[in-house]
Amino acid sequence: GAVVSQHPSRVICKSGTSVKIECRSLDFQATTMFWYRQFPKKSLMLMATSNEGSKATYEQGVEKDKFLINHASLTLSTLTVTSAHPEDSSFYICSARDRGLATDTQYFGPGTRLTVL
Amino acid sequence: LAKTTQPISMDSYEGQEVNITCSHNNIATNDYITWYQQFPSQGPRFIIQGYKTKVTNEVASLFIPADRKSSTLSLPRVSLSDTAVYYCLVGDLSSGGSYIPTFGRGTSLIVHP
Repeated sequence: GAVVSQHPSRVICKSGTSVKIECRSLDFQATTMFWYRQFPKKSLMLMATSNEGSKATYEQGVEKDKFLINHASLTLSTLTVTSAHPEDSSFYICSARDRGLATDTQYFGPGTRLTVL
Repeated sequence: LAKTTQPISMDSYEGQEVNITCSHNNIATNDYITWYQQFPSQGPRFIIQGYKTKVTNEVASLFIPADRKSSTLSLPRVSLSDTAVYYCLVGDLSSGGSYIPTFGRGTSLIVHP
């Protein structure tokens, strides 16, 4: 399957700082990427849809000024958690959508563990 | 909105075949059905995708009835390393027609020796 990378894999930061997470599709171009958040023993919760060249679409309850998303190229989307607080600590996962004539598949990155002290 | 329903957990033994069924009664005409495997602290891994009937690859089979309101992931001869959470994924369409992937709770499969 296609490969999606995420960087960093884990980050620890102080409260009030900002953290940027990168998501890259390595072997295909993705006009659409998704950002998820996952709490322990829970399912993935969609935060936003990242569209190349346009503004991201945020799900209800997700603060767009808190979670800044940029999709500047067909292979890169970034999520910036601004002014992070301990309640932002979570596992963040991105995916890239690969659409073909007979497929429509999301490939996921390995995730980023964010810990805010 | 399309939603998926799966058993919360299943237990099996090494060497057995495991079938996990997902209900998606409101699946849209152009939706694919995709199954993922997730280990703790890792991103979901693609297993298999189908639209209708049966699909088979080197790790699993996917059975989809004609009405597409459910699907069954079949794992042949599971091993301890297949212990994981399995998700089926179908898309929703927002009011604006945009695709919204929606994960259900997933099925926690435990394989015993």
